[in-house]
Amino acid sequence: GQQVMQIPQYQHVQEGEDFTTYCNSSTTLSNIQWYKQRPGGHPVFLIQLVKSGEVKKQKRLTFQFGEAKKNSSLHITATQTTDVGTYFCAGGSGGSYIPTFGRGTSLIVHP
Amino acid sequence: GAGVSQTPSNKVTEKGKYVELRCDPISGHTALYWYRQSLGQGPEFLIYFQGTGAADDSGLPNDRFFAVRPEGSVSTLKIQRTERGDSAVYLCASSSTGWGSPLHFGNGTRLTVT
Repeated sequence: GQQVMQIPQYQHVQEGEDFTTYCNSSTTLSNIQWYKQRPGGHPVFLIQLVKSGEVKKQKRLTFQFGEAKKNSSLHITATQTTDVGTYFCAGGSGGSYIPTFGRGTSLIVHP
Repeated sequence: GAGVSQTPSNKVTEKGKYVELRCDPISGHTALYWYRQSLGQGPEFLIYFQGTGAADDSGLPNDRFFAVRPEGSVSTLKIQRTERGDSAVYLCASSSTGWGSPLHFGNGTRLTVT
């Protein structure tokens, strides 16, 4: 079945440094969604990418979808302590759009 | 408006017992998903409803797990003969159409099987 791999599993940064998490799928995706889960919380939707090569920005966050629609990345510029949490990518494929989640990248920001 | 509501928030049960977990989705959302999440892992898909019907139940681990959504709104996840390996946070999510629309998650039910 479809697998979504995400790296790194953990990332420690100093406040103000940049952060990137990468997501790779074993199959071509219909779409990819990104979620953020704060410690003790539930996943919260951030954004969805659908088109090959698509790039979307939300303030300090930049999301990319690969040309082959098999990989994606999330980049945060100048991290803040409020960025702490686990970031998940979730890909849909086969026309069903049922999101398959990666393992997530936990971001720890040191003040 | 109200988000996705899950009850109970915590459930402790003994091995071999039966449990029911309830999910009340956002009003008007036709799609409903059940996932479970273990510590340090991403949400693992269990079952997807479109309206009243289970459109995809390929994630249910075995026949001890069953879910219903009889009126196309509230859903119940049922686990028979619970095992310690069933311990996890069970997350419910709803989305407006299910066809790539964002998932709105509830706070989850933490199930502990002793």
